Amino acid sequence: AAGVIQSPRHLIKEKRETATLKCYPIPRHDTVYWYQQGPGQDPQFLISFYEKMQSDKGSIPDRFSAQQFSDYHSELNMSSLELGDSALYFCASSLGQGIHEQYFGPGTRLTVT
Amino acid sequence: QQQVKQSPQSLIVQKGGISIINCAYENTAFDYFPWYQQFPGKGPALLIAIRPDVSEKKEGRFTISFNKSAKQFSLHIMDSQPGDSATYFCAASMSGTYKYIFGTGTRLKVLA
Repeated sequence: AAGVIQSPRHLIKEKRETATLKCYPIPRHDTVYWYQQGPGQDPQFLISFYEKMQSDKGSIPDRFSAQQFSDYHSELNMSSLELGDSALYFCASSLGQGIHEQYFGPGTRLTVT
Repeated sequence: QQQVKQSPQSLIVQKGGISIINCAYENTAFDYFPWYQQFPGKGPALLIAIRPDVSEKKEGRFTISFNKSAKQFSLHIMDSQPGDSATYFCAASMSGTYKYIFGTGTRLKVLA
């Protein structure tokens, strides 16, 4: 079965640079979620989109922005990167509004040097 | 403030034994409680989930027990195998929102 696709899988950036992470949800899934997971930490919710509209917002820094496109893929844009942004970034997708089963992608490991 | 508290932080079980991980929550508005399994460097994989109108749900070797009055739920892994060695996260969400609140995770090691 098709899963959530994230690209790139690994990304190394320097402080103050920008990064763009991409997420392709499971086919027919219309809701996308972004989570950040620091080393040894639990995933922290950043932001979600349903039908291309922002549906919920968590602890996402103002330096980050995201959007969902007409084909339902999503991009997380991160600017003025800081060392503390180094983490695993997961995208998850689900089908329908109010449906709770979220399926996670393999993640993008971002390292800021 | 951790809205979903998970214990233990780590667990070592002999092969064939039962692994038990516990979670507790405060917000009675939570109405969906999934468990995820995560291997190092991989994304969390949905194992099993439960809603508060059910006290127990079983799928293969995995069972969720739910105690609504105590606001607690637990994952039981029967006949634990070395391949079950991973980090397990409980989570909670509520209708009308789209985010999961995760527990802090339990690192399980099953000895061969």
